[in-house]
Amino acid sequence: ETGVTQTPRHLVMGMTNKKSLKCEQHLGHNAMYWYKQSAKKPLELMFVYNFKEQTENNSVPSRFSPECPNSSHLFLHLHTLQPEDSALYLCASSHTPGLAGGTKQFFGPGTRLTVL
Amino acid sequence: AQTVTQSQPEMSVQEAETVTLSCTYDTSESDYYLFWYKQPPSRQMILVIRQEAYKQQNATENRFSVNFQKAAKSFSLKISDSQLGDAAMYFCAYRVDYGGSQGNLIFGKGTKLSVKP
Repeated sequence: ETGVTQTPRHLVMGMTNKKSLKCEQHLGHNAMYWYKQSAKKPLELMFVYNFKEQTENNSVPSRFSPECPNSSHLFLHLHTLQPEDSALYLCASSHTPGLAGGTKQFFGPGTRLTVL
Repeated sequence: AQTVTQSQPEMSVQEAETVTLSCTYDTSESDYYLFWYKQPPSRQMILVIRQEAYKQQNATENRFSVNFQKAAKSFSLKISDSQLGDAAMYFCAYRVDYGGSQGNLIFGKGTKLSVKP
């Protein structure tokens, strides 16, 4: 397997459920990102991890909890979500973010989340 | 605040023809990066082309090229010889790096491109 993979590809959950999204990258990158893509809105950055350390949290509600156990894996734990959280959640990775060389981000296929 | 604007929610082009997608951005920075991403129905974001602001020469990647007008803060994407596989959402994105650290990507709302056979 190569690139950035995400599981599951589709998820339907109730507001009281607890679920997790998984992202895995096989590109040897050190930075990983979670984005939210809602209909008719720009892509929104949620979290950034550099070398397993969270370096960015763009005012994301606490019902979204990220976890980065190593540079290859990134999770997004979900609990007590709201219907407005329904969206496509995209994971991305890139090379060492400390190098200001215009490193490219590689995106996974996304998880389509529906909150009932 | 840094913003990216794509004024065309939808565009359509005939196969083999050329189409230009518009993007403008607002920034007070002088050094930054601009990107065009393609998102086909599979939903995966694919980097199409990248431009460094300090480079005057417009970036090109095969049938894709940009018209970068730094003074006007404009970054349009031209697709030549359009193919059916070019049909997708296209996102313009901006990034500025600070003190050696990579900044975050800021995206526009996207333009949906349809290609007619």
